[in-house]
Amino acid sequence: GIQVEQSPPDLILQEGANSTLRCNFSDSVNNLQWFHQNPWGQLINLFYIPSGTKQNGRLSATTVATERYSLLYISSSQTTDSGVYFCAVVHGSGNTGKLIFGQGTTLQVKP
Amino acid sequence: DAGVIQSPRHEVTEMGQEVTLRCKPISGHDYLFWYRQTMMRGLELLIYFNNNVPIDDSGMPEDRFSAKMPNASFSTLKIQPSEPRDSAVYFCASSLEGRRGELFFGEGSRLTVL
Repeated sequence: GIQVEQSPPDLILQEGANSTLRCNFSDSVNNLQWFHQNPWGQLINLFYIPSGTKQNGRLSATTVATERYSLLYISSSQTTDSGVYFCAVVHGSGNTGKLIFGQGTTLQVKP
Repeated sequence: DAGVIQSPRHEVTEMGQEVTLRCKPISGHDYLFWYRQTMMRGLELLIYFNNNVPIDDSGMPEDRFSAKMPNASFSTLKIQPSEPRDSAVYFCASSLEGRRGELFFGEGSRLTVL
């Protein structure tokens, strides 16, 4: 099956710093999403981005499908950005929304 | 608009008891997914439905687990009998268009089996 690898596994930032999280996948994908799991365990949709670039406030994401990677940029980080960031992809033909998750990047933003 | 609604949010039970988790997908969504999250295995897909029909249950751990979707607005995940290793957070998600659709997750049901 498809492999989804996220890096780095852990990241500690000082408030105000910028960061880039990476997601590599081993085969072509039909869908790619970024999620933030907050300290309360909620999975929050950040981006649906099978290709191209999107921005939402301090966050932006870029997926280069032909090179099989996606990047999540966090600028001017805040303590509320802490949590786990997951990349998830849909792979294969047919009408499935079967998301395969990476292992996540755990981000801690210190005040 | 209401998101995916799951209940209960927390469940503590004793080994051997039956557990039923419930999910109401977003209205109009035609795909429903059950995921399980543990520290050891991360997020794994258990089963998913399309138009109330189970499509892929290859992730269901064993016969103790069963899932149903009697109508477009309700699904259950049942564990009988429960075991301590079933302790996890169980998420339900729904999407509008399976292949390229965007998944929306509920808040999860945290299960502890003693």
